[in-house]
Amino acid sequence: AQSVTQLGSHVSVSEGALVLLRCNYSSSVPPYLFWYVQYPNQGLQLLLKYTSAATLVKGINGFEAEFKKSETSFHLTKPSAHMSDAAEYFCAVSESGGSYIPTFGRGTSLIVHP
Amino acid sequence: GAGVSQTPSNKVTEKGKYVELRCDPISGHTALYWYRQSLGQGPEFLIYFQGTGAADDSGLPNDRFFAVRPEGSVSTLKIQRTERGDSAVYLCASSLIEGSEAFFGQGTRLTVV
Repeated sequence: AQSVTQLGSHVSVSEGALVLLRCNYSSSVPPYLFWYVQYPNQGLQLLLKYTSAATLVKGINGFEAEFKKSETSFHLTKPSAHMSDAAEYFCAVSESGGSYIPTFGRGTSLIVHP
Repeated sequence: GAGVSQTPSNKVTEKGKYVELRCDPISGHTALYWYRQSLGQGPEFLIYFQGTGAADDSGLPNDRFFAVRPEGSVSTLKIQRTERGDSAVYLCASSLIEGSEAFFGQGTRLTVV
């Protein structure tokens, strides 16, 4: 069985500060990992994905995430927050060679202060 | 179409009524997923189609929920005898093949009054 834990339902940063959103996963087989962003009243948009290639993955809008197998983590970072980054962020896991159905975490709301 | 399309975008229905929610995936995508998202929660898996068949329906909460994808493209999620607890945003996603990233529609917001 696969699962995702996102630590912190809300993260608040100042504009220009580092963004760090945490995601830990559980999977019985090598995972595929994803980060999605959801703006108010919109669908989910893929930010980036890990599918067993490079462990440091770069995505859209300056976000990146690093797959750390030893820590079962896939934290999302951005060096400098913009006001436009305020949104809900979801981490998801699916199992390569097993159930490909993405399982989502509960989400982290990113708040950016001017 | 260019993306996943879901209709209607909003649906208000009375308790006990039957509703159908439609999903039109990206052309050529063989995998199709339905999720339900309640306020403040992440998407909760309902059912997964590979082609025309439901490969995994383990997320359907009870037998009032049913989904079809008769021609391997458009899918319809059907809810019988709706209850207030069914109120949520229903999301549809499609992917080119198993394991590739899922592309989501805007969702249908279902309100049962």
